[in-house]
Amino acid sequence: EVQLQQSGPEVGRPGSSVKISCKASGYTFTDYVMNWVKQSPGQGLEWIGWIDPEYGSTDYAEKFKKKATLTADTSSSTAYIQLSSLTSEDTATYFCARDAGFDYWGQGVMVTVSS
Amino acid sequence: EIVLTQSPTTMAASPGEKVTITCRASSSVSYMHWYQQKPGASPKPWIYDTSKLASGVPNRFSGSGSGTSYSLTISSMETEDTATYYCQQWSSNSFTFGSGTKLEIK
Repeated sequence: EVQLQQSGPEVGRPGSSVKISCKASGYTFTDYVMNWVKQSPGQGLEWIGWIDPEYGSTDYAEKFKKKATLTADTSSSTAYIQLSSLTSEDTATYFCARDAGFDYWGQGVMVTVSS
Repeated sequence: EIVLTQSPTTMAASPGEKVTITCRASSSVSYMHWYQQKPGASPKPWIYDTSKLASGVPNRFSGSGSGTSYSLTISSMETEDTATYYCQQWSSNSFTFGSGTKLEIK
């Protein structure tokens, strides 16, 4: 059974960074890209970018190029997103989702930016 | 970046009523995909490649369209269909989502 298990909620101070994880199981991690999606409170979905775990190659939506950094650890089948220079605009739930078809999703991680 | 505009933003339908949600793209796209999201849950793939139902999706759902205009249709609304539906497209190395249509039961 494919599962994407994300880390727990995060609280970050303005200007700081947070790093959240997405541990994949039930399939070969390097066979599929991993997407990251942002959902601000009460709002819609925004694609942040994706990473190809096999090669480490990434692609980002223009809006997130200076905000997010995607990495992957093939030894632990875990994808990561680091969000830097946090502002209140980064308060949101962040999902990982497998493959170009977004066929499996993590449960989401709530990131709250607060001083 | 291609912008997807969904309509309506919110709607309510009675059980058994036919429902149509529209997604218009700012430029022509090859395919449209749809996701269903219920409160507090992750989105689920619902319709892919414009008209193909994802696994487990009831056949009262259908998708159609081409170019800049796409739609998701429910032939007969049921209570369990209450959710927010998002359209999504891929082009120029970027995914974009529509702003969502919240569908409620009357």
